Amino acid sequence: GENVEQHPSTLSVQEGDSAVIKCTYSDSASNYFPWYKQELGKRPQLIIDIRSNVGEKKDQRIAVTLNKTAKHFSLHITETQPEDSAVYFCAASMYSGGGADGLTFGKGTHLIIQP
Amino acid sequence: DADVTQTPRNRITKTGKRIMLECSQTKGHDRMYWYRQDPGLGLRLIYYSFDVKDINKGEISDGYSVSRQAQAKFSLSLESAIPNQTALYFCATSDLSGDEQFFGPGTRLTVL
Repeated sequence: GENVEQHPSTLSVQEGDSAVIKCTYSDSASNYFPWYKQELGKRPQLIIDIRSNVGEKKDQRIAVTLNKTAKHFSLHITETQPEDSAVYFCAASMYSGGGADGLTFGKGTHLIIQP
Repeated sequence: DADVTQTPRNRITKTGKRIMLECSQTKGHDRMYWYRQDPGLGLRLIYYSFDVKDINKGEISDGYSVSRQAQAKFSLSLESAIPNQTALYFCATSDLSGDEQFFGPGTRLTVL
């Protein structure tokens, strides 16, 4: 089955700086890659996703890049703010016509924004 | 998201007991999922269902069973609970595109 590795496990950045979280996946058939944010004590929520026919996607301060050849994808957050502090999970799934199957998640990155 | 609810929110039980976790949704989604979350391990898929007649095993289905009673309801059962099933359990739903999964608030289960 699919295996998703996520690094780093903890990332501390100064407010206003950029943060980058990286993930690799093992199954070349995977073609859907979402990122979820989980604030302390809350449920995970989708923040951005990308499919394999696209190399990059941006939404305001967040962006995701995908390198299918190398089987890795990354989350970029610019101009970080205190409310960006949370655990971020990458995931991979095969999106096979009828929609994405269950997701295989990375183990998460605890992002800490230092004031 | 108030459209996906889970009951109970917290449960403490003893080894060997049968326990059922319930998930209901008012989003009208066909697809429903059960995940468990352990510290440092992320979320792992237990079972998923694409419609009432379709049930699929996920990564860690051993020791669990599910029932899709209706489009809106998906229950997870532990037939004989053991301590290493202590975890936070999330239900999620998605529409037919499967793009975004909407998570419930979670059930914190402790098995003593």
